[in-house]
Amino acid sequence: NAGVTQTPKFQVLKTGQSMTLQCAQDMNHEYMSWYRQDPGMGLRLIHYSVGAGITDQGEVPNGYNVSRSTTEDFPLRLLSAAPSQTSVYFCASSSDPPDSYNSPLHFGNGTRLTVT
Amino acid sequence: GQNIDQPTEMTATEGAIVQINCTYQTSGFNGLFWYQQHAGEAPTFLSYNVLDGLEEKGRFSSFLSRSKGYSYLLLKELQMKDSASYLCAVRGTMRNDYKLSFGAGTTVTVRA
Repeated sequence: NAGVTQTPKFQVLKTGQSMTLQCAQDMNHEYMSWYRQDPGMGLRLIHYSVGAGITDQGEVPNGYNVSRSTTEDFPLRLLSAAPSQTSVYFCASSSDPPDSYNSPLHFGNGTRLTVT
Repeated sequence: GQNIDQPTEMTATEGAIVQINCTYQTSGFNGLFWYQQHAGEAPTFLSYNVLDGLEEKGRFSSFLSRSKGYSYLLLKELQMKDSASYLCAVRGTMRNDYKLSFGAGTTVTVRA
């Protein structure tokens, strides 16, 4: 059981380049999300999805796009990379339906992105 | 919005007990989670509290007081492998209850 799989593990981009961070889960979870983690700061929510075809913005959505065409996949696109987007990115999923609150997040192993 | 505070660092000796406090100010409350994150790895779930009181899971316990906006994670019989960052996360009553807000994390160092 692979859980949540993120690729790539490491990436270096130049300012202005675009790329897609991949995330896939095999637990049939409806809920998926992307967080970024920066030193001294908590995990901050970028975008999330409550099911295939449905996405919404989190705290820090600017500069990022997402789509959810299938239950399994939730890619994160950086439109035009900036040094401020240097961070560790985590994808997470949960089986939590709207009326159940005790399902924890399952995290992928992260993508370490550097923008020069 | 959510405001979650926890100490930045704590150090303790192998075999000892450490208590990590978390205070929060949120627009509504629908549960508090603790996650453990080893350096360079993904966070993993430790505990969940939604009602007041203590939840015990082996060497780890978590306490919640909703009226005080306060939780703690208690780590007993510390082992070297417990050296990690511990993240407090709160689910508020925003328009989608799935959103979790995280504190910056408390780095615990266990010394021999």
